[in-house]
Amino acid sequence: GAGVSQSPSNKVTEKGKDVELRCDPISGHTALYWYRQSLGQGLEFLIYFQGNSAPDKSGLPSDRFSAERTGGSVSTLTIQRTQQEDSAVYLCASSLAPGTAYEQYFGPGTRLTVT
Amino acid sequence: DQQVKQNSPSLSVQEGRISILNCDYTNSMFDYFLWYKKYPAEGPTFLISISSIKDKNEDGRFTVFLNKSAKHLSLHIVPSQPGDSAVYFCAARNTLNYGGSQGNLIFGKGTKLSVKP
Repeated sequence: GAGVSQSPSNKVTEKGKDVELRCDPISGHTALYWYRQSLGQGLEFLIYFQGNSAPDKSGLPSDRFSAERTGGSVSTLTIQRTQQEDSAVYLCASSLAPGTAYEQYFGPGTRLTVT
Repeated sequence: DQQVKQNSPSLSVQEGRISILNCDYTNSMFDYFLWYKKYPAEGPTFLISISSIKDKNEDGRFTVFLNKSAKHLSLHIVPSQPGDSAVYFCAARNTLNYGGSQGNLIFGKGTKLSVKP
């Protein structure tokens, strides 16, 4: 079956521009997570969606970052007025349910480069 | 401050020998630990996990050991194969909703394993 997909795979943008990153989770997975991996760093949690509950935005680094999840499925991470420090690989993951033994299935990521 | 630490950025092992990847954590509220493997240009894939009520979990060539008193876990791969060459991430979770988030993982920075033929 299809895994988690993300688009685009690579994105180069100029400083100050807005970008949108898309995630299609595995069908039936209620939990969706966004992480990012900066160069030489581990994966940093950004935001988490579970069903129709309000998202947990505790990991978002600034108010330039926002995300939404439409219809409990596809999610879009938006970064406004991009800065060079936003350059990273943005990874989306989904799981059957939160807080369970569950593994989180990751997409291939979107490599964002801000010039 | 880093709650999950992988102090070795890289490890090189000969094929057939044992690979031991180490991970330390600081938060005693973590109750579930996972290892992920990541190849270049791919997302991390789940490898093996262990609950804090256990001290060992084995799956084929992979064994994870947990020492709660030392807040240390390790991943053993034996025998190591060239296809095991990847970046290995240790991750931890507090299922009691620590920090207001249910289930998000706290990752270490990863250890790059190279298995030489």
